[in-house]
Amino acid sequence: DGGITQSPKYLFRKEGQNVTLSCEQNLNHDAMYWYRQDPGQGLRLIYYSQIVNDFQKGDIAEGYSVSREKKESFPLTVTSAQKNPTAFYLCASRDPASRHEQYFGPGTRLTVT
Amino acid sequence: SQQGEEDPQALSIQEGENATMNCSYKTSINNLQWYRQNSGRGLVHLILIRSNEREKHSGRLRVTLDTSKKSSSLLITASRAADTASYFCATDANSNSGYALNFGKGTSLLVTP
Repeated sequence: DGGITQSPKYLFRKEGQNVTLSCEQNLNHDAMYWYRQDPGQGLRLIYYSQIVNDFQKGDIAEGYSVSREKKESFPLTVTSAQKNPTAFYLCASRDPASRHEQYFGPGTRLTVT
Repeated sequence: SQQGEEDPQALSIQEGENATMNCSYKTSINNLQWYRQNSGRGLVHLILIRSNEREKHSGRLRVTLDTSKKSSSLLITASRAADTASYFCATDANSNSGYALNFGKGTSLLVTP
């Protein structure tokens, strides 16, 4: 988990509320990613950003939004439009010098009731 | 999109035995990576094998890649209880997707003393 922090570790929200998950990295990596993990589903890509002030939708972007105002930070907002937001969210960054190896944060488990 | 599929979904062995996990994927790749995830934690990169490599070693890990069959295997030799975790293969998407990773659903490995 070194170099990438995610907070909080556990998050509980009521249905209909927006919630923002934090992701910070001190690895000086340009590229950052958000993945969602559901039991038995593996990881699915939500959004990614290759440089500051630029980001692209992944496979399951609906109901989510991101920003990339600083190189170190890539927060994810889970909006009320996301139908099934309860999941484990993982943030990662990529070091191109390591031939595309990604470094993951410890994750945030979001529960929406 | 989830390109990789690991097999078996779950594996239970005793300490000292070898553990073999397989991964199949669908499209051409630049490289294939294996990651490990302890329960409720982030993923940790284990090893990367390029598409022009057939075998790679790292400590007790041995990875093979057969691009003609679109498959890879991860062998953990002389397993330890601490190897208990989920193992994921991931293929490298192209630059159009910011080199985001496509993950399989993982193999859950249990090593009993």
